[in-house]
Amino acid sequence: GAVVSQHPSRVICKSGTSVKIECRSLDFQATTMFWYRQFPKQSLMLMATSNEGSKATYEQGVEKDKFLINHASLTLSTLTVTSAHPEDSSFYICSASPGQGGRQPQHFGDGTRLSIL
Amino acid sequence: AQKVTQAQTEISVVEKEDVTLDCVYETRDTTYYLFWYKQPPSGELVFLIRRNSFDEQNEISGRYSWNFQKSTSSFNFTITASQVVDSAVYFCALSEGNSGYSTLTFGKGTMLLVSP
Repeated sequence: GAVVSQHPSRVICKSGTSVKIECRSLDFQATTMFWYRQFPKQSLMLMATSNEGSKATYEQGVEKDKFLINHASLTLSTLTVTSAHPEDSSFYICSASPGQGGRQPQHFGDGTRLSIL
Repeated sequence: AQKVTQAQTEISVVEKEDVTLDCVYETRDTTYYLFWYKQPPSGELVFLIRRNSFDEQNEISGRYSWNFQKSTSSFNFTITASQVVDSAVYFCALSEGNSGYSTLTFGKGTMLLVSP
């Protein structure tokens, strides 16, 4: 089945550090990738949608200069949390889809637990 | 706008009991997809089922079964003879097929605790 690899699985770093999270589709080309954020005991909230070769579309309230998304190839998207602060601590999870429209299901990575000290 | 409601925040059962997790959705589209995901304590999302809006047949997969009722906009999930390993947070999600993206809207999740 379709596999999405997310790396790293856990990050602990100091306030002010920038953190990059990678999301790779291992056995299919991902036209679209999604980034979600999940606070403890809450649901997944979509942060942004990225299509290969174009700028990401951010959801309302998500700072695009804070959360930089790059989708440079059909198998890789990256999320960079710039100058991270404790309030950015969260579980970040990516997903990838082979195409547009609900006909193509999303395949999820295992998530990255980010802790900012 | 699409919306998914999982009214049950937390359910506790004893092993071998049957349990039903409720999901009610709202959408203006006639073409849409419904999903259930399981999130164990380790955090990864485990895909359980996808159902499109034109297929109202109920589905059974082992101890899992799903009841899709368009008349009540519900897509409920039943676990028969629950086991401790079923303990997890379960999310219901909706994707509108005509949106141009397979964007998922998640419910708030139901935490299921199965005790021995």
